[in-house]
Amino acid sequence: NAGVMQNPRHLVRRRGQEARLRCSPMKGHSHVYWYRQLPEEGLKFMVYLQKENIIDESGMPKERFSAEFPKEGPSILRIQQVVRGDSAAYFCASSPGAREAYGYTFGSGTRLTVV
Amino acid sequence: DAKTTQPTSMDCAEGRAANLPCNHSTISGNEYVYWYRQIHSQGPQYIIHGLKNNETNEMASLIITEDRKSSTLILPHATLRDTAVYYCIGAGAQKLVFGQGTRLTINP
Repeated sequence: NAGVMQNPRHLVRRRGQEARLRCSPMKGHSHVYWYRQLPEEGLKFMVYLQKENIIDESGMPKERFSAEFPKEGPSILRIQQVVRGDSAAYFCASSPGAREAYGYTFGSGTRLTVV
Repeated sequence: DAKTTQPTSMDCAEGRAANLPCNHSTISGNEYVYWYRQIHSQGPQYIIHGLKNNETNEMASLIITEDRKSSTLILPHATLRDTAVYYCIGAGAQKLVFGQGTRLTINP
């Protein structure tokens, strides 16, 4: 039973390029959450998605960042025109539902380095 | 989501029980208490969660006070591999909000 799969594990982008981070949830999980962890800081919620819907994007920066979770395929976190401050670990988590009793399963993360 | 308060850091000897406290005095009736940990820079790992009753699984035990204003995570026989940042979260139906957690160091 595969866990939450994130790829790539490491991504290097030059300033101004686009970064696309992918997250495949656990089988049977239809809820996906993205978190960002800056160096030496805690995990910050970014966005919560269900299939084809953004439920809560209160943690997403207003510009350059977008997320989707299409009917088929993985969830994508897209960062346009990356800047050095975007360098961080990005973690994805999934759950089978939004009810209180469900815990999240996290992936191993994508480490983005902007040079 | 409920605000939680945890000690910044704790130490525990290998083989002893590690007891990690958490205050969540503003937790509402339908919010669960979740515990996660993050070992080095890996993805957070789910440990345990509960609503009112004490819970136990293969990793840990969770003791929740009767008034639900605080809880304690117990790692019964800590090993060096339990060194990590431990997060206590009070959350309802949607997102989990992580605080700064407790950095637990297990000493040989």
